[in-house]
Amino acid sequence: RKEVEQDPGPFNVPEGATVAFNCTYSNSASQSFFWYRQDCRKEPKLLMSVYSSGNEDGRFTAQLNRASQYISLLIRDSKLSDSATYLCVVNIGWGGKLIFGQGTELSVKP
Amino acid sequence: EAQVTQNPRYLITVTGKKLTVTCSQNMNHEYMSWYRQDPGLGLRQIYYSMNVEVTDKGDVPEGYKVSRKEKRNFPLILESPSPNQTSLYFCASRPDRTGADTEAFFGQGTRLTVV
Repeated sequence: RKEVEQDPGPFNVPEGATVAFNCTYSNSASQSFFWYRQDCRKEPKLLMSVYSSGNEDGRFTAQLNRASQYISLLIRDSKLSDSATYLCVVNIGWGGKLIFGQGTELSVKP
Repeated sequence: EAQVTQNPRYLITVTGKKLTVTCSQNMNHEYMSWYRQDPGLGLRQIYYSMNVEVTDKGDVPEGYKVSRKEKRNFPLILESPSPNQTSLYFCASRPDRTGADTEAFFGQGTRLTVV
């Protein structure tokens, strides 16, 4: 079983749609959680960190459920520019090691 | 501008010909690492370094070497490349290994093809 699992998609949605991505992790020693965005095989860039209380950044909302070892990302009012691959990332322990999910591809259509 | 710089961006080489991919960061970060990205497998860590002269294996270290003689540089060395090392490679840095909540900054990637 992979340490971080995501539905690879692709998710094809119209502009303005709301889309949700899910991610599960298997290592209970995981300390911190992130969503990164990767455009067309370019370098990943941090979209947002994920906190237990849930957090929001504009149209993006991230949630963490430690008991279920589950992370989610909700994108509201999708834009064409949101088309990308979204990577669920987990930091294992305090050693700085990041474990990446394989990514979920999103395509927003006009 | 804070950045991680990798070179070269693209490289086609032949089996067995030693190569080095350079990585340099200007943020005074302690923690640096190398990843490879393959379709369906996501990013996998090759090697990492927690500080100067401190390196350790990641999940897929076979066929690779690294060194950390200076804080800013973390080159990836393929002594005898093979076709199964054809991949997209990323260098990344973070402020320090204990900063579990800190952002990782990535280089622009090196697309390597070994024929």
